[in-house]
Amino acid sequence: EPEVTQTPSHQVTQMGQEVILRCVPISNHLYFYWYRQILGQKVEFLVSFYNNEISEKSEIFDDQFSVERPDGSNFTLKIRSTKLEDSAMYFCASSGTGGFFGNTIYFGEGSWLTVV
Amino acid sequence: SQQGEEDPQALSIQEGENATMNCSYKTSINNLQWYRQNSGRGLVHLILIRSNEREKHSGRLRVTLDTSKKSSSLLITASRAADTASYFCATDAPPGAGSYQLTFGKGTKLSVIP
Repeated sequence: EPEVTQTPSHQVTQMGQEVILRCVPISNHLYFYWYRQILGQKVEFLVSFYNNEISEKSEIFDDQFSVERPDGSNFTLKIRSTKLEDSAMYFCASSGTGGFFGNTIYFGEGSWLTVV
Repeated sequence: SQQGEEDPQALSIQEGENATMNCSYKTSINNLQWYRQNSGRGLVHLILIRSNEREKHSGRLRVTLDTSKKSSSLLITASRAADTASYFCATDAPPGAGSYQLTFGKGTKLSVIP
């Protein structure tokens, strides 16, 4: 079964450092997402991406965050200057369609980011 | 904002028993999805039910949706130890809202005792 793959599975970084989390969405999908889950809390939406641009973002997704689809397969999340509160599991997700037509969203295994 | 809120927060049952988890939300939705998450792992999609559907089955899973009560339930029949995980419902916005983000609840932590 096709799956969303993420790297790294775990990263420890110093506060203030830049981090790039990488994702390979399911190959024929058109919509890409990043979500995060702080330990013990809800999964929260960060951003959605379609047709090479951000289609929606949450309040969490401030100027420290950016996303990119540098080639036909990868989808990256960059955190420019990490803070302690950025420590969380970051999930990449993808879907074939958006919205009305049964928007099944498939998630990767996550990248666990620890900021120290 | 629309939110899925599951109850109970934790559920412990014996292997072979059925497990029922409930989810409530606040505003109109397009679809409701259920996910499973093993500890520290990714979110595994279980089932999607659309707002015009009332019930859906997938193997040992049965999902119901009552849009008048803004609630859904997930039933796992004949539970197994491997079903031990957290279960989340996630809702999205109705058509025309211009938003496709999922809003997750806090989840129900299910423990199935062998």
